[in-house]
Amino acid sequence: KNEVEQSPQNLTAQEGEFITINCSYSVGISALHWLQQHPGGGIVSLFMLSSGKKKHGRLIATINIQEKHSSLHITASHPRDSAVYICAVPQGGSGGGADGLTFGKGTHLIIQP
Amino acid sequence: DSGVTQTPKHLITATGQRVTLRCSPRSGDLSVYWYQQSLDQGLQFLIQYYNGEERAKGNILERFSAQQFPDLHSELNLSSLELGDSALYFCASSAGDYMNTEAFFGQGTRLTVV
Repeated sequence: KNEVEQSPQNLTAQEGEFITINCSYSVGISALHWLQQHPGGGIVSLFMLSSGKKKHGRLIATINIQEKHSSLHITASHPRDSAVYICAVPQGGSGGGADGLTFGKGTHLIIQP
Repeated sequence: DSGVTQTPKHLITATGQRVTLRCSPRSGDLSVYWYQQSLDQGLQFLIQYYNGEERAKGNILERFSAQQFPDLHSELNLSSLELGDSALYFCASSAGDYMNTEAFFGQGTRLTVV
């Protein structure tokens, strides 16, 4: 079963700062998910990536399959980016077949104005 | 809006009772996943259905069961409820039967057992 470690657990930064959240997993995978959960509780899928880098607005996600590591970056951070960011990978790794996700514990991000 | 609909949004019930949570997946998605998020355990995978059939099981208690109907909506049944079952229950859907495609989450059902 895949194990997911995220760091940092908590992060407080000033508006405009560059933010990096890290995720490591134990078993090779075919895809990794970055999710965002706002205080109201809803979960939004930010990225699903299997190699390289993806960008959406001020958000950038990278993955290094060999090192089993992914990072989520936020450029020009804003108070509305305050949320919990969660990394998730298939429980069984890249073995294929039906599977649910294993989640990291999340990074609680607060951006102060 | 993810396109995944969960009802009800909130549910308060007593210990020992039974409840049913409902999920309508995104149009065209055949897979439905159920997840539980509690304060002490974080997000945990419960069960997956694909096109009406159970495909994978996670940490689902025997008191819990689920099914997916021909119209692809799914229901999660929780019985003999205990205080510890209080949690947010999320449904997600995806196109394929494997989580290597983007997952779309519903807004969740907040269950409080008193």
